[in-house]
Amino acid sequence: GNSVTQMEGPVTLSEEAFLTINCTYTATGYPSLFWYVQYPGEGLQLLLKATKADDKGSNKGFEATYRKETTSFHLEKGSVQVSDSAVYFCALRAGSSNTGKLIFGQGTTLQVKP
Amino acid sequence: DAMVIQNPRYQVTQFGKPVTLSCSQTLNHNVMYWYQQKSSQAPKLLFHYYDKDFNNEADTPDNFQSRRPNTSFCFLDIRSPGLGDAAMYLCATSRDPDRGIEQYFGPGTRLTVT
Repeated sequence: GNSVTQMEGPVTLSEEAFLTINCTYTATGYPSLFWYVQYPGEGLQLLLKATKADDKGSNKGFEATYRKETTSFHLEKGSVQVSDSAVYFCALRAGSSNTGKLIFGQGTTLQVKP
Repeated sequence: DAMVIQNPRYQVTQFGKPVTLSCSQTLNHNVMYWYQQKSSQAPKLLFHYYDKDFNNEADTPDNFQSRRPNTSFCFLDIRSPGLGDAAMYLCATSRDPDRGIEQYFGPGTRLTVT
């Protein structure tokens, strides 16, 4: 079946450090891939997405590249800020799905210290 | 200019006492989703509506029901809440369940069962 696996957290970084959060997936066909961010006490916000192999999604300094050969969609940011502290969810939507159902990874908590 | 609105943000109910959570949207999207997110876990889809068509996930307990009286509103009814139903409930919308179309999430309702 379809699944998403993220690196375990929490990830603790100093401000301006480089961020990588690993995400790998298992899916049949050609899924669409997403990163969502959840700030404390809030709902999920779409951070970026990619719909086909080699697409790069980017937003607010975050980037992720859809790698079909390694079934990965790692999230990166060159210089994190305290305001980036949140929980990050990798998700997929199966290409064969006609319901739009998202399958989420377990989430990775990022803590950025000044 | 909130797009997906959930009321209330915090709900306390008693064990076994029916409770209804509300979601409204100003996006005129066709699809509305309800997710359950337990503490430190990924959101899990309960069901969704595509226009008036209701789609239940296979593992959603019968205790959970939903109504969508019009495009803008969708309700989650928990007929007899148990302690295990305490969670954040997230409503999301999308224009169409087609490939690559992102979902927009509300801020969530945190349900406490006493």
